[in-house]
Amino acid sequence: EAQVTQNPRYLITVTGKKLTVTCSQNMNHEYMSWYRQDPGLGLRQIYYSMNVEVTDKGDVPEGYKVSRKEKRNFPLILESPSPNQTSLYFCASSTRGRTDTQYFGPGTRLTVL
Amino acid sequence: AQSVTQLDSQVPVFEEAPVELRCNYSSSVSVYLFWYVQYPNQGLQLLLKYLSGSTLVESINGFEAEFNKSQTSFHLRKPSVHISDTAEYFCAVSDQRDDKIIFGKGTRLHILP
Repeated sequence: EAQVTQNPRYLITVTGKKLTVTCSQNMNHEYMSWYRQDPGLGLRQIYYSMNVEVTDKGDVPEGYKVSRKEKRNFPLILESPSPNQTSLYFCASSTRGRTDTQYFGPGTRLTVL
Repeated sequence: AQSVTQLDSQVPVFEEAPVELRCNYSSSVSVYLFWYVQYPNQGLQLLLKYLSGSTLVESINGFEAEFNKSQTSFHLRKPSVHISDTAEYFCAVSDQRDDKIIFGKGTRLHILP
């Protein structure tokens, strides 16, 4: 089944404790991205990647890191999480990028205490 | 930079009544426009998209949207809504300048019995 998977689905952590949210797709997509969803703010793009070793900042990259060492994986790293990063995070992938359908993962609900 | 405005955060409508969800965008170059739907506790799914050609695009479940360049709009319409249309709807835009995808803040559609 073609899908985007994220792990973990739920995470509660404390301020400053490094964490990684994994994202993997099995559709051989070139483009992958991370979004955060907050009430009243919609989805905001954090980072995106056009291909392996190519990443670019979205609208809200501060406090986040990403890497794209393999085509199928695009982990999101929070080196020192803070409470304002409490949010619902979505990973998405598409064939090439801006003209293509984005396929979204199920989401990761992160709470930073 | 491109931007998206969804004018209504919530839209209540009676079952079997028509509905219009409004979306306006801002960009100085050619745009690509999308509507995504998010059902409760799920990720986002593509509803329809406009890339070029016919300005009226349709989805398989009865929604349609019309690209209006002069009014910089891409409003979503359905002539008769069903209870199963209860969801949050997001308008998104990308353009030729970069590979960012910008989402609106979303419109929550409430279907009243």
